[in-house]
Amino acid sequence: AQSVTQLGSHVSVSEGALVLLRCNYSSSVPPYLFWYVQYPNQGLQLLLKYTSAATLVKGINGFEAEFKKSETSFHLTKPSAHMSDAAEYFCAVGSGNTPLVFGKGTRLSVIA
Amino acid sequence: GAVVSQHPSWVICKSGTSVKIECRSLDFQATTMFWYRQFPKQSLMLMATSNEGSKATYEQGVEKDKFLINHASLTLSTLTVTSAHPEDSSFYICSAPQREGRTAYNEQFFGPGTRLTVL
Repeated sequence: AQSVTQLGSHVSVSEGALVLLRCNYSSSVPPYLFWYVQYPNQGLQLLLKYTSAATLVKGINGFEAEFKKSETSFHLTKPSAHMSDAAEYFCAVGSGNTPLVFGKGTRLSVIA
Repeated sequence: GAVVSQHPSWVICKSGTSVKIECRSLDFQATTMFWYRQFPKQSLMLMATSNEGSKATYEQGVEKDKFLINHASLTLSTLTVTSAHPEDSSFYICSAPQREGRTAYNEQFFGPGTRLTVL
């Protein structure tokens, strides 16, 4: 069985500040890990993915995440928040051809 | 990357009517598609797995007679919400996996979602 825990349902940062969204996973098999962003009334957009290659993954819009097996974590970071980053972020885990299991989401607010 | 479309993007219907939502893989074949449901301010929850040429498998708690899934071709899966009620109002999202090159990894491509409002 696989599961994802996102710590913090709401994170608020100032514009230009570091963004850190936390995700811990549980998986009995080597996991594939994903971060998605969802803007209001829209579908999911893939930010980045870990599929057992490099542990530091770079994604779109300046986001990156590091897979740490020892900590079962896959935290999402961005050095400098922009107003346009305000959205809902979902961490998800999968194992190939199976459906993804999503975390509960973290709403990111960016304060001017 | 591959594209998955959904139709309609939004629908409003009266209570008791049935609504069909289509999910299409536009440039690849998908023997499997997944249907998720997302209630307001909540995460995506898997409803069912759609299998081409065979019966869908439903997650626990999802009524198969209410949410009819048909995967009649390698590019199309449909979800029909029968006798819809206001509590069925939600955002329905489908996804389809596509194998990445020669790896064992199948990336999930998500449709844009269908917002259903039942009055």
